[in-house]
Amino acid sequence: QVQLQESGPGLVKPSQTLSLTCIVSGGSITSADYYWTWVRQPPGKGLEWIGYIYYSGSTSYSPSLQSRLTISKDTSKNQFSLILSSVTAADTAVYYCARERMAPVSRYYFYYIDVWGEGTPVTVSS
Amino acid sequence: DIQMTQSPSSLSASVGDRVTITCRASEGIKNDLGWYQQKPGKAPKCLIYAASILQSGVPSRFSGSGFGTEFTLTISSLQPEDFATYYCLQHNGYPRTFGQGTKVEIK
Repeated sequence: QVQLQESGPGLVKPSQTLSLTCIVSGGSITSADYYWTWVRQPPGKGLEWIGYIYYSGSTSYSPSLQSRLTISKDTSKNQFSLILSSVTAADTAVYYCARERMAPVSRYYFYYIDVWGEGTPVTVSS
Repeated sequence: DIQMTQSPSSLSASVGDRVTITCRASEGIKNDLGWYQQKPGKAPKCLIYAASILQSGVPSRFSGSGFGTEFTLTISSLQPEDFATYYCLQHNGYPRTFGQGTKVEIK
């Protein structure tokens, strides 16, 4: 059973860089069936999709974060990471890593997020 | 970006009630839509994908329907453990986009 675990600092100063890692256990990030994803949730607010990295290394990012965001992976450690630069208070949120899978149904593929980490809170404050 | 408009933003209901939540996409997304349940302090959980396919282990009182731009999540008989916030998420294009969420509260 695949499990995801986020790790990283809980407090980051404004203008600095936030780095989070998601450790994947019970499955490999080299599988072509999954997109390794980041989602965040500001306090008291809804969910926001951040981006993903695919086994091939291809990525897709939220346009609102693209200029500050890098998602990478380390296959040897079976983990993937988020780096967000020039953070502000608006980046304060619980950050979730997650797995979006491609599920075959008849002749088609459908996508859904089937595994989530427990989330890690990040506060941006001086 | 595809905008997802979810309604209502909150609702109060009693145990045993039938509850319906709606999500509208700003453009057609076929049936590339999932519904997620989130309880306080917990990660979301997928209930339904492909608009109407129940995720394994999810009770049959949950159902989904819709195609194109209009989607619904129905809980046929609300149970105490169903009080939570529900989100739709479109999986048709990038960036992925969530609805604003619907908080289901006890009446």
